Amino acid sequence: DSGVTQTPKHLITATGQRVTLRCSPRSGDLSVYWYQQSLDQGLQFLIQYYNGEERAKGNILERFSAQQFPDLHSELNLSSLELGDSALYFCASRGPTYGYTFGSGTRLTVV
Amino acid sequence: SQQGEEDPQALSIQEGENATMNCSYKTSINNLQWYRQNSGRGLVHLILIRSNEREKHSGRLRVTLDTSKKSSSLLITASRAADTASYFCATDLKYGNKLVFGAGTILRVKS
Repeated sequence: DSGVTQTPKHLITATGQRVTLRCSPRSGDLSVYWYQQSLDQGLQFLIQYYNGEERAKGNILERFSAQQFPDLHSELNLSSLELGDSALYFCASRGPTYGYTFGSGTRLTVV
Repeated sequence: SQQGEEDPQALSIQEGENATMNCSYKTSINNLQWYRQNSGRGLVHLILIRSNEREKHSGRLRVTLDTSKKSSSLLITASRAADTASYFCATDLKYGNKLVFGAGTILRVKS
């Protein structure tokens, strides 16, 4: 157990639907990062939050959004889902040193 | 585009042999990290080397960093079948709040 919890582990949904992925960072970590891993794009950085505020944005589609709550957990919302959104979505948290800790991921399948 | 490029893309060796993977990157970094991923599962942090370090060891792992050439290598000595996995280098950018991953090397260790 890395200390970063992601739920659900697997998600199957239909095109056009909306889903929410949840991440609880390691205790004490203020930063949360979201990554998408697909076969054709590899591991792509999506977005970073630090103590509730958005800090960095990567290749995140407009159909996707995220937020970090006061208790530091984060949610990634994916809407109007397309087949190409099928991927493994990782959350990572980072503490005061340089260490990143990744969760086990949510596997999203859009059918 | 991804910051890191790795080679080889795939590597197949016999148990007991050494495996070397290389990573090149483009911009200034705080540190470089190596991760392992077993078939579609979570990312496991292996080792981190800071920009002012040249070599680091952890068990059977040896990482080198050449900031003048913007390159790193990961050596796994006396490989085991259990080392079969994908290996990714990730650069913690000096300017930018994120880890940028390479495309990865698929290592297969045959017993």
